[in-house]
Amino acid sequence: EPEVTQTPSHQVTQMGQEVILRCVPISNHLYFYWYRQILGQKVEFLVSFYNNEISEKSEIFDDQFSVERPDGSNFTLKIRSTKLEDSAMYFCASRPPDRYEQYFGPGTRLTVT
Amino acid sequence: RKEVEQDPGPFNVPEGATVAFNCTYSNSASQSFFWYRQDCRKEPKLLMSVYSSGNEDGRFTAQLNRASQYISLLIRDSKLSDSATYLCVVIPDTGRRALTFGSGTRLQVQP
Repeated sequence: EPEVTQTPSHQVTQMGQEVILRCVPISNHLYFYWYRQILGQKVEFLVSFYNNEISEKSEIFDDQFSVERPDGSNFTLKIRSTKLEDSAMYFCASRPPDRYEQYFGPGTRLTVT
Repeated sequence: RKEVEQDPGPFNVPEGATVAFNCTYSNSASQSFFWYRQDCRKEPKLLMSVYSSGNEDGRFTAQLNRASQYISLLIRDSKLSDSATYLCVVIPDTGRRALTFGSGTRLQVQP
């Protein structure tokens, strides 16, 4: 069964550094999403991406965040200058064009020190 | 008022028990509803979509009451492997497709 994959599984970085989180969505899916979950809190929406552009973003997704689909398979989330409060699990999700159910990758645990 | 509200639990039940979770949502224009399960430090996994007519998948039954803005999940004959956090998830309105999550209800099935 096709799955969303994410790399790395765990990233440790220092405050102020840039990080890039990578995702490979399911191959026939056209809609891509990033969510985050701070430890002990609920899953929160960051951004959605369709047809090579952002279709929706939350208040969390400020100027320090960006997304890109650099090739036909990868979907990336960049955090330009990480803060301590960016420490969280970051989940990538995708869905096919004819359904609303989203399928999540295993997540990247980001630790900012 | 929170967009999606759930009782956090935990619900501690013996194997074989029937357990029910409830969820309320605030936006009456919400169109799509789901239950996901999440194991500790893992990704949310789709359990089932929730339809107006109600739907069943094996031991799991989901119901939607649009008038009361209420969603339920019933688990029959609980297994140890059902221990997880159950997330009520809503797409708030037709202009958006991002998922809005509840905080989850934790279930612990005891032997």
